[in-house]
Amino acid sequence: QKEVEQDPGPLSVPEGAIVSLNCTYSNSAFQYFMWYRQYSRKGPELLMYTYSSGNKEDGRFTAQVDKSSKYISLFIRDSQPSDSATYLCARVSYGQNFVFGPGTRLSVLP
Amino acid sequence: DVKVTQSSRYLVKRTGEKVFLECVQDMDHENMFWYRQDPGLGLRLIYFSYDVKMKEKGDIPEGYSVSREKKERFSLILESASTNQTSMYLCASSLGGNSYNEQFFGPGTRLTVL
Repeated sequence: QKEVEQDPGPLSVPEGAIVSLNCTYSNSAFQYFMWYRQYSRKGPELLMYTYSSGNKEDGRFTAQVDKSSKYISLFIRDSQPSDSATYLCARVSYGQNFVFGPGTRLSVLP
Repeated sequence: DVKVTQSSRYLVKRTGEKVFLECVQDMDHENMFWYRQDPGLGLRLIYFSYDVKMKEKGDIPEGYSVSREKKERFSLILESASTNQTSMYLCASSLGGNSYNEQFFGPGTRLTVL
């Protein structure tokens, strides 16, 4: 079993839809969670990070962590074509140990 | 504005060649990382460095070596390239210490080994 799992997609939604992207992880060690966005032919860039269980909101984006279920979600409200990208979740353990999921490719259709 | 640059965007090499991939960051970061990214497998850590002349193996170091002679530069070396090393290679850097610092990525080098 991979440490961090994601549905690779592709996921296609119409503009304005609410998007839900999900990850599961297997290691329960003390950790942090990050969501990176990667546009085609670019390197990943940090979108959001969170530590505790619960929700964290930033504009149209909400990151949700459920540590009891080992489940991480990213919600995008009012999705735009510019949100079309691959979304990578990462589990970060103490000491900069990043473990990335394989990424979910999202297409938002105008 | 933070910046991580990689020497080439696209590279084509032949089996058995020695390949150098260069990464430079201008943020005075202590930590630097090399990943490869393959479809369905995500990013896998090859090597990382937390200081000049220091290096640590990641999850898949076989067939690779690294060099960090200066703080801003981290090189990945394929001693004898093989076709299974065809991949996207991403360099990243972050602040030092044991806190959960964001990793900043370069644009990537797409390497094809024929």
